[in-house]
Amino acid sequence: DQQVKQNSPSLSVQEGRISILNCDYTNSMFDYFLWYKKYPAEGPTFLISISSIKDKNEDGRFTVFLNKSAKHLSLHIVPSQPGDSAVYFCAASFGGSQGNLIFGKGTKLSVKP
Amino acid sequence: DTGVSQDPRHKITKRGQNVTFRCDPISEHNRLYWYRQTLGQGPEFLTYFQNEAQLEKSRLLSDRFSAERPKGSFSTLEIQRTEQGDSAMYLCASTRDTSYEQYFGPGTRLTVT
Repeated sequence: DQQVKQNSPSLSVQEGRISILNCDYTNSMFDYFLWYKKYPAEGPTFLISISSIKDKNEDGRFTVFLNKSAKHLSLHIVPSQPGDSAVYFCAASFGGSQGNLIFGKGTKLSVKP
Repeated sequence: DTGVSQDPRHKITKRGQNVTFRCDPISEHNRLYWYRQTLGQGPEFLTYFQNEAQLEKSRLLSDRFSAERPKGSFSTLEIQRTEQGDSAMYLCASTRDTSYEQYFGPGTRLTVT
């Protein structure tokens, strides 16, 4: 039973436009959410995060929105650049003394020049 | 900050052989995690350490797998009697225990023939 779901395996966007990557979760006990970017043959790179007590967090071109009632979060990239082309993973954490991350399957973003 | 390093980056082994991977976390990070990633999936949690203590193991971690972090610094993950199903990317991540954001190494890609 997958607790974190990314239902779109891929997304293609034109350079300069907005990229919106979506993530749904099933467990309301998650208290922290993170987005990671992964290039081939590299480990995931931390991008941006949000606490469950917030509904928005922004860092430069990246904004994460959290809708707790819908158990949904999204990552917005504006404007998209060709270097953003990568696989994006959504992850969730229960926090506390353990803190392991539960990942979705990822969405492959392609930004076309 | 030199980042998380893993060695080797690639390992090809024959079924039935034992393999050992090493992870060096970011120096001031006292939490260290091991994950496994297979094609088309997100990273899946295997085990984690708080300093030298192994505090949690996933049910994915069969008795052929063992992990250590003897002095609370680097960690090793050993797989005994490898099987073809062990072929995957093995990722190590570290963090401070006051933080949710985990920082990943480049991974070790294991191929069992």
